[in-house]
Amino acid sequence: AQSVTQLDSQVPVFEEAPVELRCNYSSSVSVYLFWYVQYPNQGLQLLLKYLSGSTLVKGINGFEAEFNKSQTSFHLRKPSVHISDTAEYFCAVSHTGGFKTIFGAGTRLFVKA
Amino acid sequence: NAGVTQTPKFRILKIGQSMTLQCTQDMNHNYMYWYRQDPGMGLKLIYYSVGAGITDKGEVPNGYNVSRSTTEDFPLRLELAAPSQTSVYFCASMSENEKLFFGSGTQLSVL
Repeated sequence: AQSVTQLDSQVPVFEEAPVELRCNYSSSVSVYLFWYVQYPNQGLQLLLKYLSGSTLVKGINGFEAEFNKSQTSFHLRKPSVHISDTAEYFCAVSHTGGFKTIFGAGTRLFVKA
Repeated sequence: NAGVTQTPKFRILKIGQSMTLQCTQDMNHNYMYWYRQDPGMGLKLIYYSVGAGITDKGEVPNGYNVSRSTTEDFPLRLELAAPSQTSVYFCASMSENEKLFFGSGTQLSVL
C-alpha cells in the first residue's frame, strides 16, 4: 500500500520569496506522483505530475517538482511566489498501472505582502 | 466544457436521514471516484469505479453506497446520516494519462 506524508501543515512566506513544500511517499512498487492545488471553495486542480522520464517536472504557474527515488521524495518548489499562490497544496501518489490515487494531508501556503 | 458536475453544493441533514449526492462527467472517462475532505486529513477515498457496472470500496466506505449504471453518472448515497459524515465531498474522474478532474464539491452537515 502507498502512503503520502506532507511534512508541513502550514507554510507562511513573503511575496517574491522562494518556497519549497515537502512531500515523502512510501510504496513497494513503482509510482506516479502528483501535486494538486486547491483554491478556497474550489475543487482540486492538477499542478504537475511525474509518470516517467526526467525527474524534474515543470507545472503550471511556475511550479516545479523533483522526483528523488532514493529519498522517496517529490518536493514542490517555486522561485518567487505571488499573493495569488495562497492555497492548499496536496501531494498524491498512485502505483503504475493502478487507478487509485492516495493524497497527503495537504500544506496550506500563505503568501504575505 | 462542463467536466465533472456535482449537486447539490450545500446540504444540511438531520441524523438518520438519507440523501444522494449526484455526480456526472461528460469526458467519457471510465474511472470515477468519491473522496471526502476533512480539515487536516487531506482527501480520503470512499468508493471508486473502473467502468459502468463495476464499483469497489476505497479507504473509508462505511456508511456509503454507490452505483454506476452509466459511464457518465456515479451517485453516492448516504443511507442513515451520522454526524461523522459531516464533510466536504468531491467527485472526480480520471483521464487516460492519470489526471484527476474534480467537481466543485458538496458541503454536507449532519446535525
